[in-house]
Amino acid sequence: GQNIDQPTEMTATEGAIVQINCTYQTSGFNGLFWYQQHAGEAPTFLSYNVLDGLEEKGRFSSFLSRSKGYSYLLLKELQMKDSASYLCAVKGYSGGYQKVTFGTGTKLQVIP
Amino acid sequence: DTEVTQTPKHLVMGMTNKKSLKCEQHMGHRAMYWYKQKAKKPPELMFVYSYEKLSINESVPSRFSPECPNSSLLNLHLHALQPEDSALYLCASSQEDPGGATDTQYFGPGTRLTVL
Repeated sequence: GQNIDQPTEMTATEGAIVQINCTYQTSGFNGLFWYQQHAGEAPTFLSYNVLDGLEEKGRFSSFLSRSKGYSYLLLKELQMKDSASYLCAVKGYSGGYQKVTFGTGTKLQVIP
Repeated sequence: DTEVTQTPKHLVMGMTNKKSLKCEQHMGHRAMYWYKQKAKKPPELMFVYSYEKLSINESVPSRFSPECPNSSLLNLHLHALQPEDSALYLCASSQEDPGGATDTQYFGPGTRLTVL
């Protein structure tokens, strides 16, 4: 099976930087995704990592260490609209086939 | 274009009703997914279609019946649901099947289902 752990809630100040961590255990690891989900809306894709290292995309960066089963999402120059849940999702083997499993999400509140 | 559309946006149904949820994508994706999401919980995978064939059924009760009429459409037929089935039902699609290396899933806006 798969096990994904991320903090439940975080608070950060507008204009600041925040790092959201995700640790995971899975067999047959084949990629890690970060999604943003505003309340009552669908998840939207932010980033994908399959190799170790940092992927940068504008204000958002995602890092992966496969040996440590660890990833983080870095959000820079925080804006009020970044208040949302951030879901870490891991692709690996579970129940005999490859599938993507979502973590419980980190609810980020950006305050003025 | 990364748009996945879903209809209806909201649905209220009784436990004896039969209804269907619809999902459509025109990105040429060959894998399509149904997820169920309860409040403050992550999306839970229900079904996966790969190249129009059901490839994953996550032990979903038979009162949920998926159908993939063609590569762009995915339906979820609902019958004799229970109040605990009330949730946000999300459809997603990806370029390749779940065994591929680049199968980023793109989600539709969801159908908010309430079972009375």
